[in-house]
Amino acid sequence: EAGVVQSPRYKIIEKKQPVAFWCNPISGHNTLYWYRQNLGQGPELLIRYENEEAVDDSQLPKDRFSAERLKGVDSTLKIQPAELGDSAVYLCASSLANGQGLPPLHFGNGTRLTVT
Amino acid sequence: KNQVEQSPQSLIILEGKNCTLQCNYTVSPFSNLRWYKQDTGRGPVSLTIMTFSENTKSNGRYTATLDADTKQSSLHITASQLSDSASYICVVRGFNTGGFKTIFGAGTRLFVKA
Repeated sequence: EAGVVQSPRYKIIEKKQPVAFWCNPISGHNTLYWYRQNLGQGPELLIRYENEEAVDDSQLPKDRFSAERLKGVDSTLKIQPAELGDSAVYLCASSLANGQGLPPLHFGNGTRLTVT
Repeated sequence: KNQVEQSPQSLIILEGKNCTLQCNYTVSPFSNLRWYKQDTGRGPVSLTIMTFSENTKSNGRYTATLDADTKQSSLHITASQLSDSASYICVVRGFNTGGFKTIFGAGTRLFVKA
């Protein structure tokens, strides 16, 4: 099966500019996650979707971050305006929904964002 | 304090040697624990899953253990290879109101030298 696809792989922007990341999850996976990973740290959840509904966005900085998942498939994550502290790797993951949380998360290779 | 603590933070070993990575957690109620391997520039990939009733599980040269009483897990790598150089992340899932929560450790960075 094709894995989780993210684009772009790298993005360099100046602060205060907008940026968008795109994610195509594994076909049939109804749960989609966006994570942010700083160097030397584990991923931190930004938002989780069940189909097209955002069921956990408590860690999403809503003043500058937004996300959408059209038709419950692809998703985009946007930052506007970007700040220096937003430099990180943004990971998208997908999984099959399960009340026990047993299925693994399948991660894309991430987008490395550098804000200058 | 993170609910999932990993040690050591980094580790350097010679090719062919064994090593053990540690994970302590306080996540409760507990559902399961996974070890992920993350190569540089890639997303994490699941190695093993441990549920409450499981003590040991192997996946090739990787063996994970779980002590649910002490809330500790370990990942043992046997006969290390250069390709084992990566970050190993412990991920604990627990239950909370309305579903479950997933807590990531900061990872152990393993360097295998020839």
